[in-house]
This record gives sequence, C-alpha cells and structure tokens, in this order.
Amino acid sequence: QSALTQPASVSGSPGQSLTISCTGTSSDVGNYNLVSWFQQHPGKAPKLMIYEVTKRPSGVSNRFSGSKSDNTASLTISGLQAEDQADYFCCSYTGSPTFVVFGGGTKLTVL
Amino acid sequence: QVQLVQSGAEMKKPGSSVKVSCKASRGTFSSYGVTWVRQAPGQGLEWMGRINPMLGIANYAQNLQGRVTITADKSTSTAYMELGSLKPDDTAVYYCAGDLQWQDLDSWGQGTLVTVSS
Repeated sequence: QSALTQPASVSGSPGQSLTISCTGTSSDVGNYNLVSWFQQHPGKAPKLMIYEVTKRPSGVSNRFSGSKSDNTASLTISGLQAEDQADYFCCSYTGSPTFVVFGGGTKLTVL
Repeated sequence: QVQLVQSGAEMKKPGSSVKVSCKASRGTFSSYGVTWVRQAPGQGLEWMGRINPMLGIANYAQNLQGRVTITADKSTSTAYMELGSLKPDDTAVYYCAGDLQWQDLDSWGQGTLVTVSS
C-alpha cells in the first residue's frame, strides 16, 4: 500500500480537462510544499511535470498545472491530448525518517 | 540539467548482491542530490534512498535500511547503489535521478533491470 493515495485510473476525451488527486497526511503533503508529479509512458523513465506543488520545469506544456489544499495535491491537465495517455505518479517530501513517499499511480486513458 | 547514464541489466541469484552505477555524462552532480527509485514489473515507484554527492551523506528508505548502500565518487561524477541479500521480490527496474530538493527529480537515468532468480 502506497503512502499517498491516487485513483487507479481516470479517463477523458480529447480537449477535455481532468484532475488527478493525491491524498496524503499532515506529515507529508499537508506539511511541505514539496510535492511533485511525474508522467511515465510504457517502457520509459518517468518525466517530471510539476514540482514544489505548482512549478513547471522548462519544456513542460502549460496545459499541466498543480495545486494543493490541506493534505491533497492535484494535477490538472487541460486540453487533453492523445499523447497525455500515460501513468501519473505524485511524490512528496515527508522529512525524517521516511523522507520521500510516492503515490500508487494513476493510469490516464484518452478516449 | 544533468544527463545520467546507468550500467546494464543484471541477473542475480537470491542472497547475492548487485551494484548499479549512474554516471553524469553531461555536466556534473554539482548541487544535485542523486536519488534511487525502483519499479517492480507492473507496479508503482518506490523511493530507495538519496545521496548528496558533495557531502557524501546518504539517507535510506526504512524498509531497505541495512540492505542498501548508496555512494558517490565526485571525481568521476558517478553514483552507485548496492543492494544486498537479494530476493526475487527485488526484481525491478532501478532508476537514478538528479534532484535539488528531494522530490523534484528532473533528470533520470535510462533504468537498469535487475532480475533475481534461482
């Protein structure tokens, strides 16, 4: 069982917006603004999409955005495209002695 | 952004050890931390540990404490992850990644498949 809880799957049609949630506790997501999101296509290494809750690395589409409320972080993808179909993982810093926890991952299907 | 290249796939027997390397082929570790993450077949990501190469200080996942050792050689910009007392459940793709603040893993190695089987 993963430390952070994500929905197993979500789906949407091209052009739609959707949000993936990531629920933790007051010891991780709720206590630090150090939450990131990763996109992973089959057979590939994960790719950083959002870090420090809301920041986007250079080169990542502005269709991807992050937010946080209390113990839940969220990744929103607007204008859904076929290439967005992938697995998405959230991650949070949680301090000593655990340091970092991941969510179980969400499979995004573009219909 | 540093580019990371990992060593090749490994086949190991239960009870043995494996050591995977991760070299910065472009750039250096500089201010980056190096994190190791693994992914069992069809499963999610698991944080294994992290090292600050400049300070040589490593932190480990509690469930792997005592079995995993992460080291770094600043002179060659290479990090290493050694996992001992291997079990079939340790079969996974092992990734190294560069980070500035623990969770912002913005540079990833290509992954190393470690298969543990008798």
